[in-house]
This record gives sequence, structure tokens and C-alpha cells, in this order.
Amino acid sequence: ETGVTQSPTHLIKTRGQQVTLRCSSQSGHNTVSWYQQALGQGPQFIFQYYREEENGRGNFPPRFSGLQFPNYSSELNVNALELDDSALYLCASSPRQGADNEQFFGPGTRLTVL
Amino acid sequence: QQQVKQSPQSLIVQKGGISIINCAYENTAFDYFPWYQQFPGKGPALLIAIRPDVSEKKEGRFTISFNKSAKQFSLHIMDSQPGDSATYFCAAGSYNTDKLIFGTGTRLQVFP
Repeated sequence: ETGVTQSPTHLIKTRGQQVTLRCSSQSGHNTVSWYQQALGQGPQFIFQYYREEENGRGNFPPRFSGLQFPNYSSELNVNALELDDSALYLCASSPRQGADNEQFFGPGTRLTVL
Repeated sequence: QQQVKQSPQSLIVQKGGISIINCAYENTAFDYFPWYQQFPGKGPALLIAIRPDVSEKKEGRFTISFNKSAKQFSLHIMDSQPGDSATYFCAAGSYNTDKLIFGTGTRLQVFP
């Protein structure tokens, strides 16, 4: 059973640029959630995708957008990068929608915005 | 009402001791309470989780105690080992919400 994988591992961008982060969900999981974890903080929910539809969204601006593909992998896109977007971006997959079941996290993508 | 408050912020324990981390929540709709362990540079890993129909759950050296009336839950790590040194996050969620709400984390250091 393959776990959750994310790419790239690290990324350095400059302010105003756009970035795409990728996530492959665990086998058998149809739900993917994205979280932002600033240094020294707990993960903050960005949004969740269930069967290719956005299933819920946290308190993040529209320049944070996402996609889920038929194989349940997912992308997180961030436009017009700001310095405060520097964080560890985590993808978590789960066997169904909702937040009352196990979510398995990937290793994250460390984004640095200069 | 969506917050999960976690304490202490940091914890230093001698090898073989008991580590205790506490969390409190406000939203009574929460019905799933996981604990995650995170090592530097890694994603959080699910350690143990509990639902409100039980007051305690034990898995190896890790125990969750749950007090529904007080809206509090805690993680106990028995016989703490240096390899347990990590940051621990409590979280809360429910079926009709889309997200886990995480606490602010506790950095545990276990010294030999």
C-alpha cells in the first residue's frame, strides 16, 4: 500500500509568482485535504476535495485554488505569492469525506517565498 | 467556537517518565479526536484517535483520556523514550465538517 506522496519537496519562489503543488493520495482514498502549516504552528485547513469537487474551504483567499483528478490525485495552486505564503503545505488523504475519519498526511512541500 | 486549545507548549521529560499533553475544545459537534506526531521536516503521522462514546483508549504506551462533560481530552505517553521526542498535535473533527481543527502543538523532549 503506497502512502501519500507530495512533490516537489522544496520550492523557492519570489513574490508575485504562481506555484503548483502536487499530491498523490493513498490507494483506496477518494478524499484529499490541503493544509498550510506555518513554522511553529498547527496545520490550517485550506480546502478539501471529494470525487473531483471542492467539498469545503477554510479561511484562505481565492488565489488559493485546487483540483482533484479522476485518480484522486490533487493539485494546489497559489497565485500572486506573498511572503506570508511561506510554509509547509500538507496534503492528507482519507477514505471518505468529512472530518471524522483518519486522515493520512504526506511529507509536505516546503515553500519559501522571497 | 472552532478552536482547540493545547497545553503545554513544550514539555521536558526524563526517559521512563510519563508525558501528559492536554487539549480542550468548545464545539460539542466534534466527534472525532485524533493525536498526531510530527518529526522535524516530516508530515504529521496519526498516533491514536478517540470518539466520544468511550472515555479512554490505549494503544501500546499511548493512551487518550476523554472527558465529554469538561470538553477536554489528553494524551498520556507512558515510559517515555528519547525516540518520542517530537511535536504532538491534538485535533478535532466531525462528520458534517470538512476540516480537522488542530491545536497549536506541544514540543516534547525526552532526555536519557
